[in-house]
Amino acid sequence: AQSVSQHNHHVILSEAASLELGCNYSYGGTVNLFWYVQYPGQHLQLLLKYFSGDPLVKGIKGFEAEFIKSKFSFNLRKPSVQWSDTAEYFCAVTYMNRDDKIIFGKGTRLHILP
Amino acid sequence: DTGVSQDPRHKITKRGQNVTFRCDPISEHNRLYWYRQTLGQGPEFLTYFQNEAQLEKSRLLSDRFSAERPKGSFSTLEIQRTEQGDSAMYLCASSSSTSGSNEQFFGPGTRLTVL
Repeated sequence: AQSVSQHNHHVILSEAASLELGCNYSYGGTVNLFWYVQYPGQHLQLLLKYFSGDPLVKGIKGFEAEFIKSKFSFNLRKPSVQWSDTAEYFCAVTYMNRDDKIIFGKGTRLHILP
Repeated sequence: DTGVSQDPRHKITKRGQNVTFRCDPISEHNRLYWYRQTLGQGPEFLTYFQNEAQLEKSRLLSDRFSAERPKGSFSTLEIQRTEQGDSAMYLCASSSSTSGSNEQFFGPGTRLTVL
């Protein structure tokens, strides 16, 4: 079965530190890849997405992710985090021609120390 | 607000009772999805509709669960004879199959607590 694996369940960083959250997905053909964010008390929001083209994708709030097909990876990065980035981050995938249902990872809870 | 809306936002019920949740998708979206999220997990797919047709159901959706989208607009998710294991956040999302991007937009969720 298709799956998404997020490497870290809980990450604690100080403000201005650099961030990289790992994500791997299982093979299943052509994929669309996403990172969603859930701020405390709020609903899921799309941070960025990859459908095709440039494998380096830029999203909102200074986040970016790189699709590396050979590694089945889609890691999320931000060069300098802020306290307001405290949230839960979900990597997700849809497989083309499989009804667009999203398969989510278990999430990474990011806590930024002020 | 033209986003996905869900009602109620919170539901507390006793084991054995039936509950029904409603989702109103973005008006021009023809696809509607239900997901369930338990503590410490990412959302898990339950079912989805294209217009009024229910096209896929997850094995997570036991026979106590039923979802409808009678007019291809809003959808309801009913859980009969609730169990404590049904306690979760139930998320609805919608998308447009004609948009080319298949991006799903999520609602705020309905948090169900079964006592």
